Parts: sequence; C-alpha cells; structure tokens
Amino acid sequence: QVQLVQSGAEVKKPGASVKVSCKASGYIFTSYYMHWVRQAPGQGLEWMGIIKSGGTITQYAQKFQDRVTITRDTSTSTVYMELSSLRSDDTAVYYCAREFPESYYFDSWGQGTLVTVSS
Amino acid sequence: QSALTQPPSASGSPGQSVTISCTGTSSDVGTYNYVSWYQQHPGKAPKLMIYEVSKRPSGVPDRFSGSKSGNTASLTVSGLQAEDEADYHCKSYAGSNGYVFGAGTKVTVL
Repeated sequence: QVQLVQSGAEVKKPGASVKVSCKASGYIFTSYYMHWVRQAPGQGLEWMGIIKSGGTITQYAQKFQDRVTITRDTSTSTVYMELSSLRSDDTAVYYCAREFPESYYFDSWGQGTLVTVSS
Repeated sequence: QSALTQPPSASGSPGQSVTISCTGTSSDVGTYNYVSWYQQHPGKAPKLMIYEVSKRPSGVPDRFSGSKSGNTASLTVSGLQAEDEADYHCKSYAGSNGYVFGAGTKVTVL
C-alpha cells in the first residue's frame, strides 16, 4: 500500500534551517508529483510547493519563494523540504502529499512533522 | 494569493445534512474545476474526500457530495454520522500561483 513516512519532530532556533524528509513506498516514486503543505497550530492548511515527477521542476508559493527548497533522491524514494531563516511563525506541522501528474488533488499524505521554532 | 473563505464552523444532528461553502475568486475556484475537499480528524493527516468539484475517490461514502457555482464551491454531508465530526478543508488549483486552501471548517455532530 502507498506510504509516505516523514522524519521526526524538530526544534530549531530562529534564523536556523530545517530539512524534513518524506520517504515513499508502495508505488512508482518517479511517476508522481510531491507537494509540501503546512499547518500552524489551530490554523488551516497552507500550500508551500511542489516537485514534479521529472525531479527538475519545482514550483513554490510566492510566500516561501526565497526560503524553501524541495529536492528528491530517487535512489531512496525520498523527498526533502528545506526551510531557511526560520521564524517563530514557522512553527507548524509540515506534511508531504502525493499527486498523480495533472490530477490537481492530493491522494496520499504523510503523517506530518512538527517543527517548533523557539529561542 | 489569499486563502479561500470557509465558515469556521457548521453543525447538524445525526441523520441531518450540513453544507460547507468555499468562496474563492475568478483566479482559482471560478476558473478551474479542480476543487478538492479534505477531511481532517484531530491530530491526523488530511484525507481526500472530493476531487474535481464533485468526484468521490473509491471508499468515500456517497453521503459526501460536492458542487460549484461561480466562485463558490460547496461540500454537503448527508445523513450525518458521529465519525463525520472533523475539520474540512477546501483547496483549489490557482494556475501559476499553485494551490490555495481555505482556513477550514469544523463540523460538529450534535
């Protein structure tokens, strides 16, 4: 069955960077896009960006354009999301979510990774 | 890109129906038939319930239905059951801006 397993919770200081991983299994990794979505405490979901199935095309939400980088390693079927210059309002649960190309919906989600930014 | 507008809460008794609205703009909901809805129980990851405005993935009960008119999409849950109590998030494709979510609606089964 499809599984997206994310790395564990992180605690970071303001100004630092965090790199969250999402390991995929149960499907052909290179055939799907992967998105990152975050959810601040008590808030709604917020789309951050996508890496497409070819691995060379990424697109980021304008809000995160200069701070986020999404990469992938096909040898381990893992996608990474790195967020830099962390601020307290980056404290959130970060999710990876899969999309079949050009389907425009997310059919499987990781379990989420809590990133806490605190001095 | 502004978030889609959802009511913060909705409620209904078991067996009743509840409808949640999701209002966007002509840059997202109004242009693209790529509205999807996600159910999220506390502490859990979101789950896809509706895609392409009104289509249900395999395994989602037909009590869940979606529609769209102009810049507003809607999710209706008929025959409410206790397990339907959750947060519901709408999402729309927004072209070159990627995707935009609503703030979520908490559905309470009275």
